[in-house]
Amino acid sequence: NAGVMQNPRHLVRRRGQEARLRCSPMKGHSHVYWYRQLPEEGLKFMVYLQKENIIDESGMPKERFSAEFPKEGPSILRIQQVVRGDSAAYFCASSRQENTIYFGEGSWLTVV
Amino acid sequence: DAKTTQPPSMDCAEGRAANLPCNHSTISGNEYVYWYRQIHSQGPQYIIHGLKNNETNEMASLIITEDRKSSTLILPHATLRDTAVYYCIGVNNAGNMLTFGGGTRLMVKP
Repeated sequence: NAGVMQNPRHLVRRRGQEARLRCSPMKGHSHVYWYRQLPEEGLKFMVYLQKENIIDESGMPKERFSAEFPKEGPSILRIQQVVRGDSAAYFCASSRQENTIYFGEGSWLTVV
Repeated sequence: DAKTTQPPSMDCAEGRAANLPCNHSTISGNEYVYWYRQIHSQGPQYIIHGLKNNETNEMASLIITEDRKSSTLILPHATLRDTAVYYCIGVNNAGNMLTFGGGTRLMVKP
């Protein structure tokens, strides 16, 4: 069984560009979570989605960040007009309903 | 979800058992204790979880006190590859979201 798949693993963007991070959950998992880890800091929850629904986005910055989990295809975390402070590792995780959460290997965003 | 308290760092000799403590004195009756670890530059890895009974799997054992106010993760024969930050998390399965604290940085030394 493939685990949680994230791509790209590494992404470099110039200030002002857009970053799109993709996450394919484990087979049979309908719940997706995104976390961010700034350099030398802990993991911070961003958003929790189920198919076509945002369940909890309490950790998402109010501007420039959005997430979706469409009926078909991967979940997408989108960051518009990136700034240097967006440089971080972004981890996606997935689970079945009310069950153990499994993480992907992360996408490292560097803003130059 | 319950607040958990862990020592910031621990050392362990290679081949010896690593015992990582966690206090969760405010845990409620329906909250599970989950353990994850994060090896440098990798995603968090699920280790084990339990409600009130002790649990064992191929990676570790989890000992939960009878009053459920604390638990210990045991790596029976630590290897250098077990060097990581270990997180103890109280989870209400109805909510399912994980809140990571500072964790314990375990250093396994030769």
